Amino acid sequence: AQSVTQPDIHITVSEGASLELRCNYSYGATPYLFWYVQSPGQGLQLLLKYFSGDTLVQGIKGFEAEFKRSQSSFNLRKPSVHWSDAAEYFCAVGLNFGNEKLTFGTGTRLTIIP
Amino acid sequence: ETGVTQSPTHLIKTRGQQVTLRCSSQSGHNTVSWYQQALGQGPQFIFQYYREEENGRGNFPPRFSGLQFPNYSSELNVNALELDDSALYLCASSDRDYNEKLFFGSGTQLSVL
Repeated sequence: AQSVTQPDIHITVSEGASLELRCNYSYGATPYLFWYVQSPGQGLQLLLKYFSGDTLVQGIKGFEAEFKRSQSSFNLRKPSVHWSDAAEYFCAVGLNFGNEKLTFGTGTRLTIIP
Repeated sequence: ETGVTQSPTHLIKTRGQQVTLRCSSQSGHNTVSWYQQALGQGPQFIFQYYREEENGRGNFPPRFSGLQFPNYSSELNVNALELDDSALYLCASSDRDYNEKLFFGSGTQLSVL
């Protein structure tokens, strides 16, 4: 069975600083990988997704993620964070891009300080 | 704004009661998935409906059941509520035929006392 580990429960970053959120997955086949963001009281918004091709994926809001098969990782990055990036971030793995169940990590809460 | 609406937004029930949560899918979407998100956890897949048929189920007991209607709106029903059922329930719609991404609603916060 697939699983996702987000080792950082909470990260605090200064506004304007760079960000990296870690994600490791366990999956028997080539995974579809996702990063979602959830603001308080809101549903999940897709930031980016990956299945194949270039291992560096660009998403919305200036986020990118890099797939590293050898490390079973799919870390999310942003060069310069904004106060509006404060939210909960979830990494997820699935069988395809929209049809099957997603397995989510436990999330990383991002706090931005001035 | 995803076009996926859920009702009610908040709900309080007591243990042993039954509850029905509703989801209106984005226009044109034929698939709806339900997730349970406990406090401090990631969402967990409950089940998925495709064109009114159940199309996959997660590790949830039979007292969690669902329906999808011809207009592709959906209901999640939970019988014999337990305290651990307290969670945010999210629905997500998609177009399975075109392998489209999931669009999530804002969820229903269920509290079981």
